[in-house]
This record gives sequence, structure tokens and C-alpha cells, in this order.
Amino acid sequence: AQKVTQAQTEISVVEKEDVTLDCVYETRDTTYYLFWYKQPPSGELVFLIRRNSFDEQNEISGRYSWNFQKSTSSFNFTITASQVVDSAVYFCALRSQAGTALIFGKGTTLSVSS
Amino acid sequence: GAGVSQSPSNKVTEKGKDVELRCDPISGHTALYWYRQSLGQGLEFLIYFQGNSAPDKSGLPSDRFSAERTGGSVSTLTIQRTQQEDSAVYLCASSLAGGEPYEQYFGPGTRLTVT
Repeated sequence: AQKVTQAQTEISVVEKEDVTLDCVYETRDTTYYLFWYKQPPSGELVFLIRRNSFDEQNEISGRYSWNFQKSTSSFNFTITASQVVDSAVYFCALRSQAGTALIFGKGTTLSVSS
Repeated sequence: GAGVSQSPSNKVTEKGKDVELRCDPISGHTALYWYRQSLGQGLEFLIYFQGNSAPDKSGLPSDRFSAERTGGSVSTLTIQRTQQEDSAVYLCASSLAGGEPYEQYFGPGTRLTVT
């Protein structure tokens, strides 16, 4: 069975703090894909990143970075110098090579105050 | 370009009534997905369409739920004899193709309230 766990339900930080959102996944597939989506208060899910299971390189995009570790089945997301606009619900998701649907975690609500 | 659009944005219906929710995918996207987002269950897959292939209906929670996709573009999700537990936000997503794990782009959703 495939499963995604986001243990942090809610996180509150003050602007300019760094914050890491955890994601742990379970799958028996050797090839799979991991995703992060952002859901701001407006409600629309926004794609952030896709990572293939055979590519463990970490990725940085501006203030965002992702740490993929197959050994611990984790795909964590770090926001550096957080801003109020980062306030949203963040979802981690998993998809197998053969599958079609995304398996989502329950999401982490991030609140950044000024 | 235009993103995924859904209509209506909000729908309030009485228990027992049928409802239809519409999704317009991004032009050129051959894969279309329906998900449901509710407080208790999070984001759940419902159904997937890819081109002219038979849809993957494995996520539909009951036979009251059905969906169709006409002309490989617009899709309609129908819920018959609605129940209060059907209250949720119904999200539609599309991607370039289904075989490859292309990122799925989501619409704004339809918030369904069953009274």
C-alpha cells in the first residue's frame, strides 16, 4: 500500500524564520514520484515540485529547498526566511510509475506572522 | 494561458437531490482527474480519464457517483441522491498525459454543501 504522512498538522512561525515541513512516504514500488503542492487561502492547489525516485539530488528554488532521502523515505521541504505570503496548507503527494492518482498526505498548515 | 476551470464554484443542495459538477481542463491536456477534499478524509482520488481509454473509477466511493468526459475535453461529475457526507470540495485536475507523471494542475474546486 502507498501512504504519505505529514506529521505536522500546524506550524506557526514569525517572518524571516526558516521552517521545515516533513513528509514521510511508504511504497513498495522501485520507481515513484513525489510532489509538493501549496494551497493558499484562495483554495487552488499550486504545483511546487516533482521529484523522481531515482534522482536524490536536493533542489533549491529561491527560498524553497527540498531534501529527498530514500534511506529514510522522506521528502522534506524547507522555506528559508519565511514570509507572510507563505501562509498556506502544504501537501506532499506520491505517485507510483504505474499509478495515475496522487496519494496525498493530510497537509501541514503553515502560518507566518509579521 | 487559461488554467483548469470548474463550475459552479459553490453548490448548495438538499439531501436526496442530484448534482452535476463541471470541469474544463487546460487546452491540450489529455489526462483529467477528479479529487475530493473534505475535513475528515483529506484529498482523495475519485476518477481518472486519459484520452479514449476506459476511465479509472477505482476511487469512486459509491455507485451514486459517476463521471463522463465528452470529446476528450470537458468532464462532468454527477452525484445522485446526495447525502450529507458528500459535502466537500470537489477538485478537478489535468495534465499533459496520464502515462507519464506529469504534474497535475488543479482547478479552484466546487464547494458542495448538502443540507
